[in-house]
Amino acid sequence: TQLLEQSPQFLSIQEGENLTVYCNSSSVFSSLQWYRQEPGEGPVLLVTVVTGGEVKKLKRLTFQFGDARKDSSLHITAAQPGDTGLYLCAGASGNTPLVFGKGTRLSVIA
Amino acid sequence: DARVTQTPRHKVTEMGQEVTMRCQPILGHNTVFWYRQTMMQGLELLAYFRNRAPLDDSGMPKDRFSAEMPDATLATLKIQPSEPRDSAVYFCASGLVPVHGYTFGSGTRLTVV
Repeated sequence: TQLLEQSPQFLSIQEGENLTVYCNSSSVFSSLQWYRQEPGEGPVLLVTVVTGGEVKKLKRLTFQFGDARKDSSLHITAAQPGDTGLYLCAGASGNTPLVFGKGTRLSVIA
Repeated sequence: DARVTQTPRHKVTEMGQEVTMRCQPILGHNTVFWYRQTMMQGLELLAYFRNRAPLDDSGMPKDRFSAEMPDATLATLKIQPSEPRDSAVYFCASGLVPVHGYTFGSGTRLTVV
């Protein structure tokens, strides 16, 4: 069974701080996706990384896929209250459904 | 923007009652998923369909749960009889496979008392 471990589980920071959350597995994935979920809503896709070592930027968010395609990180620069939410990583292997981590719950305090 | 529509948004029911949740996936997406989300377990895959054919429902208790896709615009998840441990948020998602990302609905929050 493929598992994705996300850390930390919970993170509470002040507005303007930087943070990094992690997504780790012992399995290799063909691609990895990051989603953000806000209260009362479903997860929304932020980015897909495909190549080992790939880095993608989305405004203040930087996503990296590990060289071995087993892990990923999300770095947020100068966090804002609007970044508050549950961040989920999900790994893809062929045509099988995505495997989701349990998420990192981020709270950014103004 | 195309969206996945789920109904109802909230459902409170008594133990033993039947619950039906509905989902309208995005037109053109070939795969539809049902997930259950709880604080303890996170997102759990219950069942999924590709081109309306059921591919895997091993994630759900078959004695009480059933998932169907009667046409391309409707997927249903039924629980009969419902139990308090079924209380959770149920999400439908659709996507084009090979994976290009899933689009999730807003979920059905089910409370069984």
